[in-house]
Amino acid sequence: GENVEQHPSTLSVQEGDSAVIKCTYSDSASNYFPWYKQELGKRPQLIIDIRSNVGEKKDQRIAVTLNKTAKHFSLHITETQPEDSAVYFCAASGPSSYKLIFGSGTRLLVRP
Amino acid sequence: SQTIHQWPATLVQPVGSPLSLECTVEGTSNPNLYWYRQAAGRGLQLLFYSVGIGQISSEVPQNLSASRPQDRQFILSSKKLLLSDSGFYLCAWREGIATNEKLFFGSGTQLSVL
Repeated sequence: GENVEQHPSTLSVQEGDSAVIKCTYSDSASNYFPWYKQELGKRPQLIIDIRSNVGEKKDQRIAVTLNKTAKHFSLHITETQPEDSAVYFCAASGPSSYKLIFGSGTRLLVRP
Repeated sequence: SQTIHQWPATLVQPVGSPLSLECTVEGTSNPNLYWYRQAAGRGLQLLFYSVGIGQISSEVPQNLSASRPQDRQFILSSKKLLLSDSGFYLCAWREGIATNEKLFFGSGTQLSVL
């Protein structure tokens, strides 16, 4: 089955700097890759997703890139703000799978 | 619009007691439904998923079970809780007509087994 690895597990950046979180997946058939943000004690919220027919997607300060050949995808947050501090999860799903498999999460701390 | 309801928000139970967590979805038909568990400071572990009434797929062998008695209702149960069952339980749903659509989570249940 699908396995998703995520790193780093923790990331601390200065406000205004960029943050990058990387994930790799094992199943080459996977074609849907969402990213979730979870604040303390809250539910994970979808912030951006990408499908395998595109290599990059942007939404304001957030972007995701996908390298199908290498089977990895990354979340990029530019001009980080303290409210970006949270745990971020990547996930992957295949075309014939009902399951969304998550990475282990990255705790991002943005220092004011 | 679609909404997902999950209750209770918090629960403290003694070891060996039963468990029942309920989740309902509104505004959609035949959704795919999921139960995830998150241990403290850890990732999201898929426990069960269901693609239709009475259809349950189990991902992790354990003393938990799930049922789907109605199209938009998903229940997580246990006959006897263990200390290791403590965690944050999240119900989630996806559109049932396609497997690659967005997954939406309920607000979660923080379960403490003492």
